[in-house]
Amino acid sequence: EVQLVQSGAEVKKPGESLKISCEGSGYTFTNYWIAWVRQMPGKGLEWMGIIYPGDSDTRYSPSFQGQVTISADKSISTAYLQWSSLKASDSAMYYCATTRSQWPNRFAPWGQGTLVTVSS
Amino acid sequence: DIQMTQSPSSLSASVGDRVTITCRASQGISNSLAWYQQKPEKAPKLLLYAASRLESGVPSRFSGSGSGTDYTLTINSLQPEDFATYYCQQYYRTPVTFGPGTKVEIK
Repeated sequence: EVQLVQSGAEVKKPGESLKISCEGSGYTFTNYWIAWVRQMPGKGLEWMGIIYPGDSDTRYSPSFQGQVTISADKSISTAYLQWSSLKASDSAMYYCATTRSQWPNRFAPWGQGTLVTVSS
Repeated sequence: DIQMTQSPSSLSASVGDRVTITCRASQGISNSLAWYQQKPEKAPKLLLYAASRLESGVPSRFSGSGSGTDYTLTINSLQPEDFATYYCQQYYRTPVTFGPGTKVEIK
């Protein structure tokens, strides 16, 4: 069974850095893109960016370019989303999700989500 | 970017009802459209892709149709577990974009 398991909830202060993770299992990690999707409280879904772990090809939504960094460590089948300096507006649920083949594509399955709270 | 709209934004329905949700793209997306279901505090779940193809394991009461810019998700005989928020997503062009969601509530 293809499964994505994300790291746990985080509470951070503005200006702090953060790296959250998404571990894939049940499939060949290097063969599928992994995307990150933001969901702000009570809001809809926003695609942030995507990485192909096989060669680390990374694409960003223009809305998130320069705001976050997506990376992957294929040796441990894990993708990452990181911030160098968090803002209160980064408070949201963040999901990772796989695609099936070429990009762009639909997303399935999804990780369980990581809640990030940024507050002073 | 391709903008996605959905209507209605919310609806109330009873168990057994037939429900239709519409998704419209700001330009043609050649059936590169997916539908997701999200329940409170849960991750989205893929229901359909390529506008009308049912994802494995999804009940056949869910169906999709459409072409060009206009697409529809239909739920036949609404079940208690179907009360959720539904999102469409276009993957015709990056950045991929989602509709704002349609919340299906119990009447």
